[in-house]
Amino acid sequence: GQNIDQPTEMTATEGAIVQINCTYQTSGFNGLFWYQQHAGEAPTFLSYNVLDGLEEKGRFSSFLSRSKGYSYLLLKELQMKDSASYLCAVRDLRDTGTASKLTFGTGTRLQVTL
Amino acid sequence: DSGVTQTPKHLITATGQRVTLRCSPRSGDLSVYWYQQSLDQGLQFLIQYYNGEERAKGNILERFSAQQFPDLHSELNLSSLELGDSALYFCASSVQTTGELFFGEGSRLTVL
Repeated sequence: GQNIDQPTEMTATEGAIVQINCTYQTSGFNGLFWYQQHAGEAPTFLSYNVLDGLEEKGRFSSFLSRSKGYSYLLLKELQMKDSASYLCAVRDLRDTGTASKLTFGTGTRLQVTL
Repeated sequence: DSGVTQTPKHLITATGQRVTLRCSPRSGDLSVYWYQQSLDQGLQFLIQYYNGEERAKGNILERFSAQQFPDLHSELNLSSLELGDSALYFCASSVQTTGELFFGEGSRLTVL
């Protein structure tokens, strides 16, 4: 099975930088995803890492270390609209091709304050 | 707009009843995934279909069933409903290459 851990809540100030960590344990790793979810809305895709290193996309970056089972999502220049839950999700090596489900962590609720 | 369509958006029903949730995937996507999200809980994978066939099964109760039709839309049937079944039910379809999931807006089920 898979085990994914994220902090439950975080608070940061508008304009600041925040790092949301995710650790995972899986019998076979085949990709890590980050999603943003505003309350009561659908999750929306932010980033995908399958190799070690940093992927940058505008104000958002995601890092992966497969040997440590660790990822983080870095949000820069925080805006009030970034207040949301951030979900870390892992795809297992067995879930490839036509069966590619993702297993999600419980999410980190980020509150951006003035 | 993800391109994944779910109906109904809201549903209120009583314990013991049966409901059907409907999902149409993005044009060109052959896979449909169903997830349940209870209050303050993560997304729990229920079941996945690919081109009409069941591909993966998660923590789906026996009271729940799903199918995918030839036009690729899918239905999730929830029967003998209990209070604990109240949740947001999301449908998603996937990009074959990366496995990125695109989620519909969800169906909020309230069981009274």
